[in-house]
Amino acid sequence: DAGVTQSPTHLIKTRGQHVTLRCSPISGHKSVSWYQQVLGQGPQFIFQYYEKEERGRGNFPDRFSARQFPNYSSELNVNALLLGDSALYLCASSLGLGGNQPQHFGDGTRLSIL
Amino acid sequence: AQTVTQSQPEMSVQEAETVTLSCTYDTSESNYYLFWYKQPPSRQMILVIRQEAYKQQNATENRFSVNFQKAAKSFSLKISDSQLGDTAMYFCAFPDNNAGNMLTFGGGTRLMVKP
Repeated sequence: DAGVTQSPTHLIKTRGQHVTLRCSPISGHKSVSWYQQVLGQGPQFIFQYYEKEERGRGNFPDRFSARQFPNYSSELNVNALLLGDSALYLCASSLGLGGNQPQHFGDGTRLSIL
Repeated sequence: AQTVTQSQPEMSVQEAETVTLSCTYDTSESNYYLFWYKQPPSRQMILVIRQEAYKQQNATENRFSVNFQKAAKSFSLKISDSQLGDTAMYFCAFPDNNAGNMLTFGGGTRLMVKP
């Protein structure tokens, strides 16, 4: 079975541009979460979606937005990119929202801002 | 707000030996889960082991086991018979029961297994 897939794997942008990152969850998983991992740190929660509705939002500015589609795939959008947005963006999926349901992660998208 | 603290930024161990990684957390919940994830240089975050707080017995998965001390809010990971493939970043993570199952991660411990 395919795991969580993310695209693209690497991306280089300049300040002020916008970017769209994509994620396909494990088949049957209805929840998708996004995390930002700055080099040398643990991941920070950005968004969680379940059944196409936002169920959680981390402490990130409004430049960050996301959505989930009927097939449960998801997009993360970041506008007006800043140098500080350079990071590994991880997508994770789980069956549901229970704390006992572990999240399964993709390989991430490495975003570099010049 | 929940917090997760890993006090050892880096550790090293000789192949075949045992190493313990520390994690402490803070929560007002009484029933919850805790996870250890491994992130090798290939980047993918892999679930290593999980513990249910209401269970007295410590979780074990092959060479990986935890020492869960609920009163002390401590959740350490023990790796026995360390292998070169265990070299990775290890993160302790705590799901927020009040916000879906979003994870709060510790800062990580970089483990190097030496031949």
